[in-house]
Amino acid sequence: DAGVIQSPRHEVTEMGQEVTLRCKPISGHNSLFWYRQTMMRGLELLIYFNNNVPIDDSGMPEDRFSAKMPNASFSTLKIQPSEPRDSAVYFCASSFIPGGYTFGSGTRLTVV
Amino acid sequence: SQQGEEDPQALSIQEGENATMNCSYKTSINNLQWYRQNSGRGLVHLILIRSNEREKHSGRLRVTLDTSKKSSSLLITASRAADTASYFCATENTGTASKLTFGTGTRLQVTL
Repeated sequence: DAGVIQSPRHEVTEMGQEVTLRCKPISGHNSLFWYRQTMMRGLELLIYFNNNVPIDDSGMPEDRFSAKMPNASFSTLKIQPSEPRDSAVYFCASSFIPGGYTFGSGTRLTVV
Repeated sequence: SQQGEEDPQALSIQEGENATMNCSYKTSINNLQWYRQNSGRGLVHLILIRSNEREKHSGRLRVTLDTSKKSSSLLITASRAADTASYFCATENTGTASKLTFGTGTRLQVTL
């Protein structure tokens, strides 16, 4: 298995632009998670899905953030419009609950 | 918010020595997990210990859990330079099935 695949690995965008991060979870996993990591705030859970259904989006910072999981093999996290404070590493993880998570390599987002 | 607090924040040891990291948490849990993160990479799941377990081993790793003190420890024996990484504890809190809350991490440096 190729593991959890995230794209792009790096994204540099201008303030105000729309950013879309993509994730392909491990086949057979029933849960998918989006985390954000910064030096100041550490790892923050943004949203998670169970069987493609959003279960908890209380960590989504603002309405500018949205996430979808149209099928079991694909999820997106969208930021529109982006702001410099959104700069962080965004991780996608999947799991077959109960069990440990498998993380992707992350997308490093820089908003200038 | 961070559920787990790791201690120490940073640890520097020589190759061959043992490394012990501690994690404290605040609420009742279903399980506690430890992850490793190499610089610039995603997190890697190391071990999961359930709330009714007190100790677990995996290779050079030994994890203990004391639910009465709401604390856990990760021991890495005979450390190697390749063990250099950040280590995070994460808790699945009771009532929030499948959702992990990560601690602030311990940065381990193993020198030759």
